[in-house]
Amino acid sequence: KAGVTQTPRYLIKTRGQQVTLSCSPISGHRSVSWYQQTPGQGLQFLFEYFSETQRNKGNFPGRFSGRQFSNSRSEMNVSTLELGDSALYLCASSVLFQETQYFGPGTRLLVL
Amino acid sequence: GQQLNQSPQSMFIQEGEDVSMNCTSSSIFNTWLWYKQDPGEGPVLLIALYKAGELTSNGRLTAQFGITRKDSFLNISASIPSDVGIYFCAGQLVSGNTPLVFGKGTRLSVIA
Repeated sequence: KAGVTQTPRYLIKTRGQQVTLSCSPISGHRSVSWYQQTPGQGLQFLFEYFSETQRNKGNFPGRFSGRQFSNSRSEMNVSTLELGDSALYLCASSVLFQETQYFGPGTRLLVL
Repeated sequence: GQQLNQSPQSMFIQEGEDVSMNCTSSSIFNTWLWYKQDPGEGPVLLIALYKAGELTSNGRLTAQFGITRKDSFLNISASIPSDVGIYFCAGQLVSGNTPLVFGKGTRLSVIA
């Protein structure tokens, strides 16, 4: 069974631009969570979706948004990028809400 | 928010040595997960624990779900160079609609 896939793997943007990251969960998984990881900060929770509904949201500004589609694929969007948004963005999927999560390889975003 | 105290923060060991790391919290969890992350990649699930007192092995790795449900440890026996990486614990709180809680990681270095 294929794992979680994330596209793109690498991205370079400039301040003020916006970006959309995509995540395809493991087949049959209906829950998707997003995390931001920066050096020294560990994994910071962004959002959690299940059946197209956002179930939890982390402590991030409104510039960070996400959604989940009927096929469980998910996207997250960051608008008005700031230098501090440079990070590895990780997506994780689970069969159902609040179950064991499996991570994708991440999207490395660099904001210049 | 909830926190997991993961220790040690980093460790340097000789190849062949055994390693032990742990996570503790003041909160009660119903699931403990251990992940390993290689540089630039997403965390990979090593072991999942679902019951207090549960002891589970995966090759040279052994993890236990503490009896109090507030802690867990991971042991690696006879370490090898490919064990290098960052190990994260994560827990699912018993109560409420809350996302997975992550420790800040243990960075393991193995000296050949």
